Amino acid sequence: GQQVMQIPQYQHVQEGEDFTTYCNSSTTLSNIQWYKQRPGGHPVFLIQLVKSGEVKKQKRLTFQFGEAKKNSSLHITATQTTDVGTYFCAGLPGNQFYFGTGTSLTVIP
Amino acid sequence: EAQVTQNPRYLITVTGKKLTVTCSQNMNHEYMSWYRQDPGLGLRQIYYSMNVEVTDKGDVPEGYKVSRKEKRNFPLILESPSPNQTSLYFCASTMTGGLGIQYFGAGTRLSVL
Repeated sequence: GQQVMQIPQYQHVQEGEDFTTYCNSSTTLSNIQWYKQRPGGHPVFLIQLVKSGEVKKQKRLTFQFGEAKKNSSLHITATQTTDVGTYFCAGLPGNQFYFGTGTSLTVIP
Repeated sequence: EAQVTQNPRYLITVTGKKLTVTCSQNMNHEYMSWYRQDPGLGLRQIYYSMNVEVTDKGDVPEGYKVSRKEKRNFPLILESPSPNQTSLYFCASTMTGGLGIQYFGAGTRLSVL
């Protein structure tokens, strides 16, 4: 069946270091979304990528969608303590959403 | 204010006692979902509904029921809860299927003893 894998599961970084999480799908996706969940909170939408090879930036966050539309990445430059949380990708091969397992980011001041 | 409202936020129950978790959205969204979140497994879609009277199974539908009689409401029903349904549940809505932002409710933490 459909799988969306995300690595790493956990990442600890010093404040100011960069962070990257990777998302890989077993099948081609029509689009991919990224969400952030703060501890104790609910997932909050960050961005949606639709086109093959698409790159989008939001301040220190850079999102990429692979050429084959089966993988994606989120890169945070110069992490801050406000970046703490779990980052999820969510792919849509049809009408059903498949979430990655998430990457939990800890930022050490 | 655009929002998805889930109730209750916390629930402790016993095996076999039927329960309903309500979900309501005020954004006139067509697509609504229920997810469960378990450590190390991310969010898994239980059921989704693309419009009124249209519901489909997600990845983990066993032991759950849903209904979509009105556009704004999408309740999750556990007819006979079991301990393996202890989890954090989220309701979400989006305008048109996958081409839109999913707005999540605050979550319902369920414990089945």
